[in-house]
Amino acid sequence: AQKVTQAQTEISVVEKEDVTLDCVYETRDTTYYLFWYKQPPSGELVFLIRRNSFDEQNEISGRYSWNFQKSTSSFNFTITASQVVDSAVYFCALILLSSGSARQLTFGSGTQLTVLP
Amino acid sequence: SQTIHQWPATLVQPVGSPLSLECTVEGTSNPNLYWYRQAAGRGLQLLFYSVGIGQISSEVPQNLSASRPQDRQFILSSKKLLLSDSGFYLCAWSKRGSTGANVLTFGAGSRLTVL
Repeated sequence: AQKVTQAQTEISVVEKEDVTLDCVYETRDTTYYLFWYKQPPSGELVFLIRRNSFDEQNEISGRYSWNFQKSTSSFNFTITASQVVDSAVYFCALILLSSGSARQLTFGSGTQLTVLP
Repeated sequence: SQTIHQWPATLVQPVGSPLSLECTVEGTSNPNLYWYRQAAGRGLQLLFYSVGIGQISSEVPQNLSASRPQDRQFILSSKKLLLSDSGFYLCAWSKRGSTGANVLTFGAGSRLTVL
């Protein structure tokens, strides 16, 4: 069985600070996908990124960056120069590469990020 | 482009009353459809999953049921609501039979309060 742990329940930062959200996963399989979703106060979960286990290259998208380290089973998410609009709950998730749907998607419990002005 | 609609956005119902939440997807065919519940505390729980019309898989035993009367329509129902049914319900879809099959697109959610 797979497990995703987001140990940080809540994080509060001041605007323009950098913040890293941790995600640690467990799986016996060697082929899998990892995801990050954002849930703003409006409630809708928004897909941010999907990364497969073959690709450990870090990814940057604007102020967002993701650090995938297979050796430590971590897929951390960093927001640079945070803004108030980044305030949301962020979910990390895992699914095996062989899954033909999202049925077996395992979500972490989420991290509430609050960015103060 | 694909869009997903979910309604009602907010619902307050007494214990023992029926429930119907509706979800429709536009701009795609043969989607996989999902109902999730998010109780207080943020955890996401998959309730139902559907690969086609009339094909429903229940992930957890509960007071709720789901139906898929049309390809892009997914309905969550209950005959008699319990207090424990309160929560935030999210509908989602994913593509079928492709590498995008595990990427979920969520609706805006329906917040249910049972009194």
